[in-house]
Amino acid sequence: NAGVTQTPKFQVLKTGQSMTLQCAQDMNHNSMYWYRQDPGMGLRLIYYSASEGTTDKGEVPNGYNVSRLNKREFSLRLESAAPSQTSVYFCASSRDDLGYGYTFGSGTRLTVV
Amino acid sequence: TQLLEQSPQFLSIQEGENLTVYCNSSSVFSSLQWYRQEPGEGPVLLVTVVTGGEVKKLKRLTFQFGDARKDSSLHITAAQPGDTGLYLCAGDPNTGNQFYFGTGTSLTVIP
Repeated sequence: NAGVTQTPKFQVLKTGQSMTLQCAQDMNHNSMYWYRQDPGMGLRLIYYSASEGTTDKGEVPNGYNVSRLNKREFSLRLESAAPSQTSVYFCASSRDDLGYGYTFGSGTRLTVV
Repeated sequence: TQLLEQSPQFLSIQEGENLTVYCNSSSVFSSLQWYRQEPGEGPVLLVTVVTGGEVKKLKRLTFQFGDARKDSSLHITAAQPGDTGLYLCAGDPNTGNQFYFGTGTSLTVIP
């Protein structure tokens, strides 16, 4: 099915470990996003990419890096995981006209112990 | 800083009841969206409203954008168990490149 695919679905890390969350979309969207979702705080934007080759910081970029590998793929890297990064992470993509909304992946539940 | 506050945070009602969820801000938005999220899944877009005072209906769901474009409401008539989920509003403060999400309302409809 067309859409946004995220891997892995679940992950447990120890403090200080690193990992990369993978995201791919097959809708030919230019824009891609990484959000984190915490209870009572809705979704907060970490980084976004308006087109292949560009990335910009969102509301909560500290502790994260991203790579827009090509038009389809946008990865999120935690270099040294901290317990405060325990969250559910969502990748999304959109058309240039945001009026059509975001298409989200099914999320990665990350726990840092 | 949370641009959009939603109320109530949690809502549990019986099947067949009506309910209203609110999304409020002190900021003006050029457009506002509502999403529904089911457990273990990402949010799914329900509607986009762009004009102050606009009302849109989607079957039993009625969405309204405030006249001043600072707030919105979602009204569900005769709720069903399938309406259970997290409802999120999201507004574009005219940046053109992202929507800011509200805090969410978790709805449970009991059969």
